[in-house]
Amino acid sequence: DQQVKQNSPSLSVQEGRISILNCDYTNSMFDYFLWYKKYPAEGPTFLISISSIKDKNEDGRFTVFLNKSAKHLSLHIVPSQPGDSAVYFCAASNYNYGGSQGNLIFGKGTKLSVKP
Amino acid sequence: KAGVTQTPRYLIKTRGQQVTLSCSPISGHRSVSWYQQTPGQGLQFLFEYFSETQRNKGNFPGRFSGRQFSNSRSEMNVSTLELGDSALYLCASSPRTGVGNTEAFFGQGTRLTVV
Repeated sequence: DQQVKQNSPSLSVQEGRISILNCDYTNSMFDYFLWYKKYPAEGPTFLISISSIKDKNEDGRFTVFLNKSAKHLSLHIVPSQPGDSAVYFCAASNYNYGGSQGNLIFGKGTKLSVKP
Repeated sequence: KAGVTQTPRYLIKTRGQQVTLSCSPISGHRSVSWYQQTPGQGLQFLFEYFSETQRNKGNFPGRFSGRQFSNSRSEMNVSTLELGDSALYLCASSPRTGVGNTEAFFGQGTRLTVV
């Protein structure tokens, strides 16, 4: 039972345009969401996060939007660059999940290709 | 600040053997988590350690175990290796102090191949 879903396994975008990566979750107890970028044979690199008390967080070219009622979040990359080509993972956590410090629940990732 | 360091980077083991992987977190980080990444299952949580105590455990068999030392360095051990254990094992450290949510920073991983 997947609690965090990234329904698009891949996305192709032209350089300079906007990339929109989507993520849905089912557990309403999640209160913190993160996006990671991953290159092959490397560990995920943290990109941006958002707390459930916010609906938007921006960091340079990256903006994350959270729609709690729809249990949906998205990552916008503007403008997209060829170096952004990687697999993007959405992750969610809850401080009290499992009665402990919590852990990250990951989606299965979306492979973004930015074409020059 | 040095990042999360995992050793070794690559490992080949035979079925039935056991293996120990090591992780040194970012200086000052007290929480270390381990994840397994496979093509079919994606990134799956194994366990988290905080101040030498296991705080949370994922849905993996007892062959997977870990520990954390007083300097926050962590090891994970897999006994009686199976072919299906072949994966990229990732360690993540967090400054988590016990309150609130913070980002986790990942190492480059250990690629384990079981033959």
